[in-house]
Amino acid sequence: DVKVTQSSRYLVKRTGEKVFLECVQDMDHENMFWYRQDPGLGLRLIYFSYDVKMKEKGDIPEGYSVSREKKERFSLILESASTNQTSMYLCASSHDRGFLEAFFGQGTRLTVV
Amino acid sequence: QKEVEQNSGPLSVPEGAIASLNCTYSDRGSQSFFWYRQYSGKSPELIMSIYSNGDKEDGRFTAQLNKASQYVSLLIRDSQPSDSATYLCAVERSGNTPLVFGKGTRLSVIA
Repeated sequence: DVKVTQSSRYLVKRTGEKVFLECVQDMDHENMFWYRQDPGLGLRLIYFSYDVKMKEKGDIPEGYSVSREKKERFSLILESASTNQTSMYLCASSHDRGFLEAFFGQGTRLTVV
Repeated sequence: QKEVEQNSGPLSVPEGAIASLNCTYSDRGSQSFFWYRQYSGKSPELIMSIYSNGDKEDGRFTAQLNKASQYVSLLIRDSQPSDSATYLCAVERSGNTPLVFGKGTRLSVIA
């Protein structure tokens, strides 16, 4: 079974803090993604990566950065957390064959106070 | 026009009935289509994929694709209360880019 693991299930941070969300996959997938999910807005793509040290902006990259130093690990960084970044964050991965089906981690519910 | 559109629901069906979930997409070059199920508070789980026109069956689930009409649907036969969830349609845009998701349809199966 594909396993995508996110480091935290729930996280509470203060405004202005630097926040790291970690994601690890064990299926040797080339592609990794970070989405956020908000009521009424659905899943929105923040950043994705199709190879180590490669990154591409998604639809809503502002206020975020990412790091992919190893194939299995993709980190999302909130440089200075703000209350409008309170959300469910979902990491996903897929094989590099035309961005086929993506498999998701369990999600991190981040609250910024 | 939004890239992937779904009726938000809720769609309520009695136990044992057929639930029909619909999705339209705007990119005519899209080649790959997926249905995910998401229980409240959980992450999306892949349940069906379809790549060519026609029907694809897997147990109680049938995915249908009509590329000419830019339409994909999911039928759930013999619906069970455990099928109550939000169903997300996802489409691979042309040009080898990540999946785009619809906002989901909430299904409620009434016992």
